[in-house]
Amino acid sequence: SQQGEEDPQALSIQEGENATMNCSYKTSINNLQWYRQNSGRGLVHLILIRSNEREKHSGRLRVTLDTSKKSSSLLITASRAADTASYFCATDAGGAQKLVFGQGTRLTINP
Amino acid sequence: EAGVAQSPRYKIIEKRQSVAFWCNPISGHATLYWYQQILGQGPKLLIQFQNNGVVDDSQLPKDRFSAERLKGVDSTLKIQPAKLEDSAVYLCASSLGGLPYEQYFGPGTRLTVT
Repeated sequence: SQQGEEDPQALSIQEGENATMNCSYKTSINNLQWYRQNSGRGLVHLILIRSNEREKHSGRLRVTLDTSKKSSSLLITASRAADTASYFCATDAGGAQKLVFGQGTRLTINP
Repeated sequence: EAGVAQSPRYKIIEKRQSVAFWCNPISGHATLYWYQQILGQGPKLLIQFQNNGVVDDSQLPKDRFSAERLKGVDSTLKIQPAKLEDSAVYLCASSLGGLPYEQYFGPGTRLTVT
């Protein structure tokens, strides 16, 4: 079963705009990771946030985590065509030693 | 640094046939994973190895799927016999250790069962 559920399922924006994707999960976690998947580079790790962290930044990426609401968000600022991809959140599902991926958000950046 | 290698990249078989996938992880990575990704869904873990040993295979359909990791390096995943619902991309990933280490994914093998 899927632990994380991304919202929206699909998002289409203009180049230069910001994109926000949300992830909700069901059980407590130790950490949450975001991955990107496109046809050119496959599945790539973007960022990891631990349960005791509230926000992390990496370049144009900003991830927040609210453990009280069991939710996380991924913000991509100043989007580029190359950001077109599917984005997945993945959690350790209650401390298990494995990642459980959500269904993903399909992001399209229009030129 | 070479990435995770997988072969073949594509495979088309008929139902009830068998198929095998191969994975070579990043050198020095102790943990190896096989995921199944059905179109439109996120990857689902099938099996996780730590060196030679199996850490988790709770979602591996053991009546038809088998996997091994030889000498703690390369790994093969086999399906016998294949069903139509096995059509998916099979991803191999490796990491230095278990969570929370970052996982590095290979390009995947796209399997079509007709």
